[in-house]
Amino acid sequence: DQQVKQNSPSLSVQEGRISILNCDYTNSMFDYFLWYKKYPAEGPTFLISISSIKDKNEDGRFTVFLNKSAKHLSLHIVPSQPGDSAVYFCAASVANYGQNFVFGPGTRLSVLP
Amino acid sequence: DSGVTQTPKHLITATGQRVTLRCSPRSGDLSVYWYQQSLDQGLQFLIQYYNGEERAKGNILERFSAQQFPDLHSELNLSSLELGDSALYFCASSSRLAGVETQYFGPGTRLLVL
Repeated sequence: DQQVKQNSPSLSVQEGRISILNCDYTNSMFDYFLWYKKYPAEGPTFLISISSIKDKNEDGRFTVFLNKSAKHLSLHIVPSQPGDSAVYFCAASVANYGQNFVFGPGTRLSVLP
Repeated sequence: DSGVTQTPKHLITATGQRVTLRCSPRSGDLSVYWYQQSLDQGLQFLIQYYNGEERAKGNILERFSAQQFPDLHSELNLSSLELGDSALYFCASSSRLAGVETQYFGPGTRLLVL
């Protein structure tokens, strides 16, 4: 049973437009969420996180929105750049130290010039 | 550069063999996590160590084992290897800031079992 789902395996967006990556979770105990970006042949890189006490967190071109009632979060990238082309993983955890993170299967984003 | 190092970068071996993957966490991080990523799959959590002790276990096969040493580096041992064990193996270490934990990943070890 997948606790963290990313239902779109891939997404293509034109350079300069907005990219929206979605993530759904089933475990209501999750209270901390992260997005990671992964280029081929590299490890995942931490991008942005959000705690369940917030509904939005922004860092430059990246914004994460959290809708706790819908158990849904999304990552917005504005404006999208070709260098953003990567696989994006959503992860969730219960924010007490030592709890393992549950990762979604990832969404491959392609930003077209 | 995340500060997490993994060796070797690539490993090619045969079925039935045993290999050891090594991970050094970021300076100051006490937790080490191991993940497996098979082709086109997400990251599967295998096991976590905290300051030398096993803290959490995920989908880790009995043929696999891990340990964390006093200097906090960790090793993942894979034995009786099968073709299906071919995957990317990532190590991550974590730090806690302002009450929340973030994991930082190493570059991974690509294992190919022939």
